[in-house]
Amino acid sequence: QKEVEQNSGPLSVPEGAIASLNCTYSDRVSQSFFWYRQYSGKSPELIMSIYSNGDKEDGRFTAQLNKASQYVSLLIRDSQPSDSATYLCAVQAQGGSEKLVFGKGTKLTVNP
Amino acid sequence: NAGVMQNPRHLVRRRGQEARLRCSPMKGHSHVYWYRQLPEEGLKFMVYLQKENIIDESGMPKERFSAEFPKEGPSILRIQQVVRGDSAAYFCASSPGLAKNIQYFGAGTRLSVL
Repeated sequence: QKEVEQNSGPLSVPEGAIASLNCTYSDRVSQSFFWYRQYSGKSPELIMSIYSNGDKEDGRFTAQLNKASQYVSLLIRDSQPSDSATYLCAVQAQGGSEKLVFGKGTKLTVNP
Repeated sequence: NAGVMQNPRHLVRRRGQEARLRCSPMKGHSHVYWYRQLPEEGLKFMVYLQKENIIDESGMPKERFSAEFPKEGPSILRIQQVVRGDSAAYFCASSPGLAKNIQYFGAGTRLSVL
Protein backbone atom coordinates (compact mmCIF):
# COMPACT_ATOMS: atom_id res chain seq x y z
CA GLN A 1 0.00 0.00 0.00
CA LYS A 2 1.63 3.20 -1.18
CA GLU A 3 1.38 6.10 1.21
CA VAL A 4 2.95 8.91 -0.81
CA GLU A 5 2.45 9.07 -4.56
CA GLN A 6 4.25 11.17 -7.11
CA ASN A 7 4.25 11.20 -10.88
CA SER A 8 7.50 9.45 -11.74
CA GLY A 9 8.01 11.56 -14.83
CA PRO A 10 10.25 12.31 -16.41
CA LEU A 11 9.01 15.88 -16.52
CA SER A 12 10.69 18.00 -19.13
CA VAL A 13 10.35 21.79 -19.28
CA PRO A 14 12.21 24.50 -21.21
CA GLU A 15 14.50 26.90 -19.41
CA GLY A 16 12.55 29.79 -17.94
CA ALA A 17 9.27 27.88 -17.69
CA ILE A 18 7.35 26.90 -14.57
CA ALA A 19 7.80 23.31 -13.41
CA SER A 20 4.91 21.84 -11.44
CA LEU A 21 5.46 18.79 -9.24
CA ASN A 22 2.62 17.03 -7.49
CA CYS A 23 2.25 14.67 -4.57
CA THR A 24 -0.66 12.98 -2.82
CA TYR A 25 -0.62 11.18 0.50
CA SER A 26 -2.94 8.73 2.19
CA ASP A 27 -2.49 9.43 5.91
CA ARG A 28 -5.02 12.12 6.85
CA VAL A 29 -3.35 13.03 10.13
CA SER A 30 0.04 13.84 8.58
CA GLN A 31 1.18 17.23 9.78
CA SER A 32 4.48 18.04 8.13
CA PHE A 33 5.41 17.98 4.46
CA PHE A 34 8.76 18.38 2.77
CA TRP A 35 10.27 18.63 -0.67
CA TYR A 36 13.80 17.37 -1.15
CA ARG A 37 15.94 17.64 -4.26
CA GLN A 38 18.30 14.79 -5.13
CA TYR A 39 20.88 15.02 -7.86
CA SER A 40 21.98 11.74 -9.39
CA GLY A 41 24.31 9.90 -7.04
CA LYS A 42 23.94 12.52 -4.31
CA SER A 43 22.01 12.85 -1.07
CA PRO A 44 18.60 14.48 -0.60
CA GLU A 45 18.74 18.22 -0.01
CA LEU A 46 15.85 20.03 1.67
CA ILE A 47 14.12 22.55 -0.61
CA MET A 48 10.93 23.41 1.23
CA SER A 49 8.89 22.52 4.29
CA ILE A 50 5.19 23.31 4.74
CA TYR A 51 2.90 22.67 7.68
CA SER A 52 -0.36 24.53 7.08
CA ASN A 53 -2.81 24.88 4.22
CA GLY A 54 -1.98 27.42 1.56
CA ASP A 55 1.14 28.58 -0.21
CA LYS A 56 4.67 29.08 1.03
CA GLU A 57 7.17 30.88 -1.15
CA ASP A 58 10.96 30.85 -0.99
CA GLY A 59 12.73 32.46 -3.91
CA ARG A 60 11.79 30.63 -7.10
CA PHE A 61 10.09 27.84 -5.17
CA THR A 62 6.47 27.75 -3.97
CA ALA A 63 5.01 24.88 -1.98
CA GLN A 64 1.25 24.45 -1.84
CA LEU A 65 -0.63 22.32 0.68
CA ASN A 66 -4.26 21.24 0.70
CA LYS A 67 -4.92 18.91 3.61
CA ALA A 68 -8.56 18.36 2.69
CA SER A 69 -7.48 16.97 -0.68
CA GLN A 70 -4.34 15.36 0.79
CA TYR A 71 -2.28 17.09 -1.85
CA VAL A 72 0.99 18.96 -1.80
CA SER A 73 2.78 20.51 -4.75
CA LEU A 74 5.98 22.32 -5.62
CA LEU A 75 6.22 25.03 -8.26
CA ILE A 76 9.59 26.08 -9.63
CA ARG A 77 9.48 29.40 -11.44
CA ASP A 78 12.04 30.47 -14.04
CA SER A 79 13.38 26.92 -14.21
CA GLN A 80 17.12 26.58 -14.77
CA PRO A 81 19.14 23.65 -16.13
CA SER A 82 20.66 23.38 -12.65
CA ASP A 83 17.18 22.49 -11.35
CA SER A 84 17.37 19.20 -13.27
CA ALA A 85 17.16 16.56 -10.55
CA THR A 86 14.76 14.16 -8.88
CA TYR A 87 12.33 15.84 -6.50
CA LEU A 88 11.19 13.82 -3.52
CA CYS A 89 7.99 14.50 -1.62
CA ALA A 90 8.13 13.45 2.03
CA VAL A 91 5.42 13.26 4.65
CA GLN A 92 6.03 13.02 8.34
CA ALA A 93 4.08 10.09 9.67
CA GLN A 94 1.82 10.14 12.69
CA GLY A 95 2.41 8.25 15.89
CA GLY A 96 5.36 10.07 17.35
CA SER A 97 8.02 8.33 15.32
CA GLU A 98 8.88 11.39 13.22
CA LYS A 99 9.97 9.13 10.39
CA LEU A 100 9.61 10.50 6.87
CA VAL A 101 7.63 8.59 4.27
CA PHE A 102 8.90 9.38 0.79
CA GLY A 103 7.37 9.17 -2.63
CA LYS A 104 9.47 7.60 -5.37
CA GLY A 105 10.30 11.01 -6.77
CA THR A 106 9.72 12.94 -9.97
CA LYS A 107 12.64 13.35 -12.32
CA LEU A 108 12.77 16.86 -13.73
CA THR A 109 14.79 17.89 -16.76
CA VAL A 110 15.13 21.57 -17.66
CA ASN A 111 16.22 21.99 -21.25
CA PRO A 112 18.41 24.98 -22.17
CA ASN B 1 29.22 23.98 11.28
CA ALA B 2 29.74 20.50 9.94
CA GLY B 3 26.75 18.71 8.51
CA VAL B 4 25.78 15.08 8.97
CA MET B 5 28.90 13.01 8.49
CA GLN B 6 28.76 9.49 7.15
CA ASN B 7 31.58 7.07 6.56
CA PRO B 8 32.70 5.30 4.63
CA ARG B 9 31.29 6.85 1.46
CA HIS B 10 31.74 3.61 -0.43
CA LEU B 11 31.94 0.13 1.02
CA VAL B 12 32.53 -3.11 -0.84
CA ARG B 13 31.83 -6.41 0.86
CA ARG B 14 31.66 -10.01 -0.24
CA ARG B 15 28.61 -12.09 0.50
CA GLY B 16 28.63 -13.26 4.10
CA GLN B 17 30.81 -10.45 5.44
CA GLU B 18 29.72 -7.75 7.86
CA ALA B 19 29.13 -4.12 6.96
CA ARG B 20 29.37 -1.28 9.48
CA LEU B 21 28.11 2.15 8.50
CA ARG B 22 28.74 5.18 10.69
CA CYS B 23 26.87 8.42 11.12
CA SER B 24 27.71 11.48 13.18
CA PRO B 25 24.77 13.89 13.46
CA MET B 26 24.96 17.63 13.03
CA LYS B 27 26.14 19.53 16.07
CA GLY B 28 23.25 20.03 18.44
CA HIS B 29 21.14 17.25 16.92
CA SER B 30 20.10 14.38 19.13
CA HIS B 31 17.89 12.41 16.75
CA VAL B 32 19.25 10.09 14.07
CA TYR B 33 17.38 8.32 11.29
CA TRP B 34 18.60 5.71 8.81
CA TYR B 35 17.08 5.31 5.34
CA ARG B 36 17.87 2.93 2.51
CA GLN B 37 17.59 3.68 -1.18
CA LEU B 38 17.64 0.71 -3.51
CA PRO B 39 18.48 1.29 -7.19
CA GLU B 40 15.56 3.01 -8.94
CA GLU B 41 13.56 3.00 -5.70
CA GLY B 42 12.53 5.67 -3.26
CA LEU B 43 13.98 6.27 0.16
CA LYS B 44 12.69 3.83 2.76
CA PHE B 45 12.82 4.47 6.49
CA MET B 46 14.73 1.90 8.52
CA VAL B 47 15.23 3.08 12.09
CA TYR B 48 15.01 6.13 14.34
CA LEU B 49 17.30 6.51 17.34
CA GLN B 50 18.06 8.91 20.11
CA LYS B 51 21.09 8.61 22.35
CA GLU B 52 21.18 5.07 23.77
CA ASN B 53 17.59 4.40 22.64
CA ILE B 54 15.90 2.91 19.60
CA ILE B 55 12.65 4.81 19.17
CA ASP B 56 11.25 3.18 16.02
CA GLU B 57 12.75 0.22 14.17
CA SER B 58 9.65 -0.62 12.15
CA GLY B 59 11.57 -0.39 8.86
CA MET B 60 14.43 -2.65 9.83
CA PRO B 61 14.60 -6.13 8.31
CA LYS B 62 13.98 -8.71 11.03
CA GLU B 63 17.30 -10.45 10.62
CA ARG B 64 20.92 -9.41 10.11
CA PHE B 65 20.33 -5.66 10.60
CA SER B 66 20.92 -3.74 13.81
CA ALA B 67 21.49 -0.14 14.80
CA GLU B 68 22.79 1.72 17.81
CA PHE B 69 23.47 5.27 18.91
CA PRO B 70 25.71 5.11 21.96
CA LYS B 71 26.16 7.82 24.54
CA GLU B 72 29.53 8.62 23.03
CA GLY B 73 30.41 8.30 19.36
CA PRO B 74 28.54 7.93 16.11
CA SER B 75 25.44 5.96 15.29
CA ILE B 76 26.24 2.59 13.73
CA LEU B 77 24.15 0.61 11.27
CA ARG B 78 25.39 -2.96 11.20
CA ILE B 79 24.54 -5.53 8.56
CA GLN B 80 25.68 -9.06 9.25
CA GLN B 81 26.21 -11.74 6.60
CA VAL B 82 25.51 -9.37 3.74
CA VAL B 83 23.74 -10.57 0.60
CA ARG B 84 23.63 -9.02 -2.85
CA GLY B 85 20.19 -7.61 -2.16
CA ASP B 86 21.72 -5.40 0.53
CA SER B 87 23.52 -3.38 -2.15
CA ALA B 88 22.07 0.10 -1.86
CA ALA B 89 22.72 3.64 -0.72
CA TYR B 90 22.26 4.04 3.02
CA PHE B 91 21.52 7.57 4.18
CA CYS B 92 21.59 8.93 7.67
CA ALA B 93 19.65 12.02 8.67
CA SER B 94 19.64 14.01 11.87
CA SER B 95 17.31 16.49 13.47
CA PRO B 96 17.28 18.63 16.61
CA GLY B 97 14.17 16.97 17.99
CA LEU B 98 12.14 20.16 18.17
CA ALA B 99 8.72 20.98 16.81
CA LYS B 100 8.69 21.15 12.99
CA ASN B 101 11.45 18.60 13.09
CA ILE B 102 13.44 18.99 9.90
CA GLN B 103 15.79 16.18 8.94
CA TYR B 104 19.09 16.89 7.25
CA PHE B 105 20.81 14.16 5.29
CA GLY B 106 24.37 13.00 5.13
CA ALA B 107 26.15 12.15 1.88
CA GLY B 108 25.33 8.48 2.27
CA THR B 109 27.23 5.21 2.18
CA ARG B 110 27.03 3.21 -1.01
CA LEU B 111 27.28 -0.46 -0.19
CA SER B 112 28.19 -2.91 -2.92
CA VAL B 113 28.00 -6.62 -2.17
CA LEU B 114 29.98 -8.83 -4.52
